[in-house]
Amino acid sequence: DAGVIQSPRHEVTEMGQEVTLRCKPISGHDYLFWYRQTMMRGLELLIYFNNNVPIDDSGMPEDRFSAKMPNASFSTLKIQPSEPRDSAVYFCASTLSGNTIYFGEGSWLTVV
Amino acid sequence: AQSVTQLDSQVPVFEEAPVELRCNYSSSVSVYLFWYVQYPNQGLQLLLKYLSGSTLVKGINGFEAEFNKSQTSFHLRKPSVHISDTAEYFCAVSKGGATNKLIFGTGTLLAVQP
Repeated sequence: DAGVIQSPRHEVTEMGQEVTLRCKPISGHDYLFWYRQTMMRGLELLIYFNNNVPIDDSGMPEDRFSAKMPNASFSTLKIQPSEPRDSAVYFCASTLSGNTIYFGEGSWLTVV
Repeated sequence: AQSVTQLDSQVPVFEEAPVELRCNYSSSVSVYLFWYVQYPNQGLQLLLKYLSGSTLVKGINGFEAEFNKSQTSFHLRKPSVHISDTAEYFCAVSKGGATNKLIFGTGTLLAVQP
């Protein structure tokens, strides 16, 4: 099994630029999650999908953040425009409902 | 709403010594409980989970945890640690019914010294 695949692994961008993070969940999984990890706030759930439908986006910090899941094998998290305080590690995770949540290796974002 | 408290931000311990990482949760409903490990520059890996049944749960790498409902705790233990156990450990809770929407604690850095 390939696991949850995220890209890019590392990105450095300038303030104001658009950032797109990508995720391929484990095949057959019906839930997909986006988490953000920072030193100050720890691991925060941003949004999660069930069968490609957003279920809870209450953790999305503000309108600059958006997430989509056009099909069962792909999701994006977009930040536009990016700000230095968005610097963090963004994790994608997936699960088959009722089972273990599997995490990707993370996308390390630095906004300068 | 559920929440998780990990009181220790860092636990230093010598190699081959026992260790306990503490986790307390609060919830008005039945919960599922998890411990994840994060090695440097990597994602999170599941160590063990409690869904129901026996309150003593054994996981990978020799770790185990005990669910204590009366004390609302789910402490993680290992009788003898190795240098390779140095990592960040996260306790997490989710609402009963499905293992979705994990709420994480702030993490405990286990620093194993030779």
